[in-house]
Amino acid sequence: EPEVTQTPSHQVTQMGQEVILRCVPISNHLYFYWYRQILGQKVEFLVSFYNNEISEKSEIFDDQFSVERPDGSNFTLKIRSTKLEDSAMYFCASSAFESFGANVLTFGAGSRLTVL
Amino acid sequence: AQKITQTQPGMFVQEKEAVTLDCTYDTSDPSYGLFWYKQPSSGEMIFLIYQGSYDQQNATEGRYSLNFQKARKSANLVISASQLGDSAMYFCAMREPLNFNKFYFGSGTKLNVKP
Repeated sequence: EPEVTQTPSHQVTQMGQEVILRCVPISNHLYFYWYRQILGQKVEFLVSFYNNEISEKSEIFDDQFSVERPDGSNFTLKIRSTKLEDSAMYFCASSAFESFGANVLTFGAGSRLTVL
Repeated sequence: AQKITQTQPGMFVQEKEAVTLDCTYDTSDPSYGLFWYKQPSSGEMIFLIYQGSYDQQNATEGRYSLNFQKARKSANLVISASQLGDSAMYFCAMREPLNFNKFYFGSGTKLNVKP
């Protein structure tokens, strides 16, 4: 079964360092997303991406965050200068959007970011 | 106001019994989608079941069914014949057409299945 793959599974970084989280969405999917889950809390929307541009972003997604699709397969989330509160599980997701109703998000296994 | 409310932080169920996980939602849009995801201790998010606001029938997927009560704005997940592997966090989520890229998640319910 097709899946969304994320790397790394766990990254530990020092505060102020740049981090890049990588995702390979399902190949025929058109919409890509990043969500975040702080330990023990709900999953929160960060950003959606379609046709090589951001289609929507939340208030969490400030200037320290950026996304890009550098080639035909990878979708990356960059955090420029990490803060302690960026420690969370980051989920990549993709969807095919065959129709509004069938737009199921398929999530990756997540990348756990720990900022020290 | 919260878009999705899950009022049960934790639930216990005996193996082989059925369990209902509650979810209520808040939207003024007549067209929306409701989803349930399972998150095992390993962390990944696994899609379980979908219900569209215009669907006449309650959604079912194997042992999972969704008790959709539109007037009450509730979309409870029913797991029949619980198995030990069902122990996990369960998240209810909603998508509205105005922001179809954005899913709103509830705070989750931790289900523990006892042998």
